[in-house]
Amino acid sequence: AQKVTQAQTEISVVEKEDVTLDCVYETRDTTYYLFWYKQPPSGELVFLIRRNSFDEQNEISGRYSWNFQKSTSSFNFTITASQVVDSAVYFCALSPTGGFKTIFGAGTRLFVKA
Amino acid sequence: GAGVSQSPSNKVTEKGKDVELRCDPISGHTALYWYRQRLGQGLEFLIYFQGNSAPDKSGLPSDRFSAERTGESVSTLTIQRTQQEDSAVYLCASSLVPAATNEKLFFGSGTQLSVL
Repeated sequence: AQKVTQAQTEISVVEKEDVTLDCVYETRDTTYYLFWYKQPPSGELVFLIRRNSFDEQNEISGRYSWNFQKSTSSFNFTITASQVVDSAVYFCALSPTGGFKTIFGAGTRLFVKA
Repeated sequence: GAGVSQSPSNKVTEKGKDVELRCDPISGHTALYWYRQRLGQGLEFLIYFQGNSAPDKSGLPSDRFSAERTGESVSTLTIQRTQQEDSAVYLCASSLVPAATNEKLFFGSGTQLSVL
């Protein structure tokens, strides 16, 4: 069975704080892809990152960084110096290599207050 | 089009009525997906189209749900005899190449369905 767990339902921070969104996944597949998507108040999900299970290098993109640890089945997402525009629901997702069904976690709602 | 377009954006219907939700994917995208998002919950996979074919319909909640795609473009999700538990946002997504390459998905803004 495949499953994505985002234990944090809601997080509230003050602008400029760093925040980490947790994602833990379960899969029996040896190769797979992991994703993060952002859903702003407008409702349209926006792709943030895709990571192949073979690539455990951490990635940084501006204020965003991702920590993939296969040993703990985690793919955590950190926003540095958060801004009000970061307020959104963030989804972690899993897709087996060669498969078509992307499985999403329940999402973490992030509130960034000015 | 420039992005995935869904219509209507909002639909209010009475219990027992049928509804049709439409999705226009990005031009040239061969793969199309439908997801359901209940209030405060994650995305629930419903169905996937590769071209006009749906290899897997196992995510459809019941036989009241059906979907079709024509011309490798527009897709329609139909819910017959709607029930209150069908109330949710229905999201459509498309991707450029067959899903086996695990391409990222491009999502529409969704249709908010409310069944009274």
